[in-house]
Amino acid sequence: KAGVTQTPRYLIKTRGQQVTLSCSPISGHRSVSWYQQTPGQGLQFLFEYFSETQRNKGNFPGRFSGRQFSNSRSEMNVSTLELGDSALYLCASSLKGLGNTEAFFGQGTRLTVV
Amino acid sequence: AQSVTQLDSQVPVFEEAPVELRCNYSSSVSVYLFWYVQYPNQGLQLLLKYLSGSTLVKGINGFEAEFNKSQTSFHLRKPSVHISDTAEYFCAVSFYSGGYQKVTFGIGTKLQVIP
Repeated sequence: KAGVTQTPRYLIKTRGQQVTLSCSPISGHRSVSWYQQTPGQGLQFLFEYFSETQRNKGNFPGRFSGRQFSNSRSEMNVSTLELGDSALYLCASSLKGLGNTEAFFGQGTRLTVV
Repeated sequence: AQSVTQLDSQVPVFEEAPVELRCNYSSSVSVYLFWYVQYPNQGLQLLLKYLSGSTLVKGINGFEAEFNKSQTSFHLRKPSVHISDTAEYFCAVSFYSGGYQKVTFGIGTKLQVIP
């Protein structure tokens, strides 16, 4: 079966702009989680969506938002970009959530803010 | 609050030597434990998980981990590493809160296998 697809793979944006990242989960998976990965910080949890509802949110500012559509595809939006937002953004798909079922990760979107 | 500590940020090891990557967790409730691997320019892939039962868990690629409740540890081991094992390894703890399982990841350990 097809894996988790994240688009685009690479992005370069300037400070102050906004960006939208997309994640298509594995067919049948209802949970999509987003993580920010930076060197030395590991994976920082952004939010999780399950059946179109956000059910958990990490400690990120309101500039970071997301949504999930009825087909389980998810988007993440970052407004007013800052240099510190440069990171690899990973999306994880699972049946019920990462906590008790295997999660499948996409290859990520590498965002560079200049 | 639940947390995960990976004590070693980098672990160099010679090819065919054994390796142990350490993971300790802190939790006031029962947990599930996971190890994920990330190869360069890739997402994370599940190596193994402990949900219940036998404390010795075997995973893919010859890796295994042992859950030690008294020491709150879940160290990852492999008896003989290969060049292809060079990657970053993440330990994760899952705990029940607010109606479902939540997950916290460690900061990762980079395994460098030296030929």
